[in-house]
Amino acid sequence: DQQVKQNSPSLSVQEGRISILNCDYTNSMFDYFLWYKKYPAEGPTFLISISSIKDKNEDGRFTVFLNKSAKHLSLHIVPSQPGDSAVYFCAASEYFYGGSQGNLIFGKGTKLSVKP
Amino acid sequence: KAGVTQTPRYLIKTRGQQVTLSCSPISGHRSVSWYQQTPGQGLQFLFEYFSETQRNKGNFPGRFSGRQFSNSRSEMNVSTLELGDSALYLCASSLRGSGGTDTQYFGPGTRLTVL
Repeated sequence: DQQVKQNSPSLSVQEGRISILNCDYTNSMFDYFLWYKKYPAEGPTFLISISSIKDKNEDGRFTVFLNKSAKHLSLHIVPSQPGDSAVYFCAASEYFYGGSQGNLIFGKGTKLSVKP
Repeated sequence: KAGVTQTPRYLIKTRGQQVTLSCSPISGHRSVSWYQQTPGQGLQFLFEYFSETQRNKGNFPGRFSGRQFSNSRSEMNVSTLELGDSALYLCASSLRGSGGTDTQYFGPGTRLTVL
């Protein structure tokens, strides 16, 4: 059973507009969430993260929103640029009693295409 | 600072063979995690090594194994290869590991094709 789901395999957006990538999770013990970006022939690169004590985190053009009650997070890219075209992975990890954090569980990714 | 390196970048093997993949983490990083990426399943966690000890393991058969050396370099081995093992194998390093709160830096991956 998939614990982290990215239901849209692809998304196409016009340059300058907002890109919204969505991610749903099922495990209520997840408390740390990340977004990674992946270009072809390269490994994923870390983009932005958020812990469960916050509902929003911003870094330049990238903002991640977390809705714990809905078990949903989203990544907003504003404004979108052609260089943002890549596959975006959402990931989550679980906090274990005793202070350790579990391994990352990834979604299957959403391919974003930003058209000039 | 040099990034995570993986060798080889591409590999072609036949069913039944075994393969060893190598990962050199960022200098100073003690945790190395391995992932398998396939089109249907996305990125799936294989295992994590920290200070030469396997600290965490994903849901993969025993044909998949790994080890870490004292210099934090890691190898991953797959024995008795099956067609379904064809995938991109990614290695990621981080300072302390312990899952998500410590940023993981990924290598470019090794593309394994099993014929």
